[in-house]
Amino acid sequence: QLVLTQSPSASASLGASVKLTCTLSSGHSSYAIAWHQQQPEKGPRYLMKLNSDGSHSKGDGIPDRFSGSSSGAERYLTISSLQSEDEADYYCQTWGTGIHWVFGGGTKLTVL
Amino acid sequence: QLQLQESGPGLVKPSETLSLTCTVSGGSISSSSYYWGWIRQPPGKGLEWIGSIYYSGSTYYNPSLKSRVTISVDTSKNQFSLKLSSVTAADTAVYYCARGVNYYDSSGYHLLNRGPDYWGQGTLVTVSS
Repeated sequence: QLVLTQSPSASASLGASVKLTCTLSSGHSSYAIAWHQQQPEKGPRYLMKLNSDGSHSKGDGIPDRFSGSSSGAERYLTISSLQSEDEADYYCQTWGTGIHWVFGGGTKLTVL
Repeated sequence: QLQLQESGPGLVKPSETLSLTCTVSGGSISSSSYYWGWIRQPPGKGLEWIGSIYYSGSTYYNPSLKSRVTISVDTSKNQFSLKLSSVTAADTAVYYCARGVNYYDSSGYHLLNRGPDYWGQGTLVTVSS
């Protein structure tokens, strides 16, 4: 079964960097994913598509501070030079055969 | 700039049918490049995909909701709609519509969809008597 696992929470200081992790279930380590950001009381926003080789393509207007990388079954979102508006929930998402979207449980990022 | 806007009743009684519409502006719903989907988020919880539709009317649903869900499209109005029947309090959530991007796999024969690149702002639907 295709499942994405995320840590429930993370924190980092203003101006620092943070790396969020999304883990693909066994047998699905070659899958690409997408990252989405959900700021408080807002709808989600697409950040990027991240491939298994670490290559990624970002959505419109996404700052260079956001980047992605991959290692095995793990997919990472790195946010550098953290700003207060980066405090948000971050969801990874992948897709199955046919048309089928799967979301991770989300990571709540706190900027200290 | 593509925009998606959900609309519909904010309060639905238990056992009744939830109905929402997503209006797409700044782009055509009839493009072969996209599927159009519904996602929901119960209060304080994560995102759950409900289902998606192509402009031709082809649909895919989350197996956990399939028996209660109908998604339809009206290309003349650039809209697609969600109906969820026999609702309970567990269906209380913010409902989002979104555009998902199509691509073909390496064989060139199988159409896949990598998920949302644009989202609506969401609408809260409460199920209560």
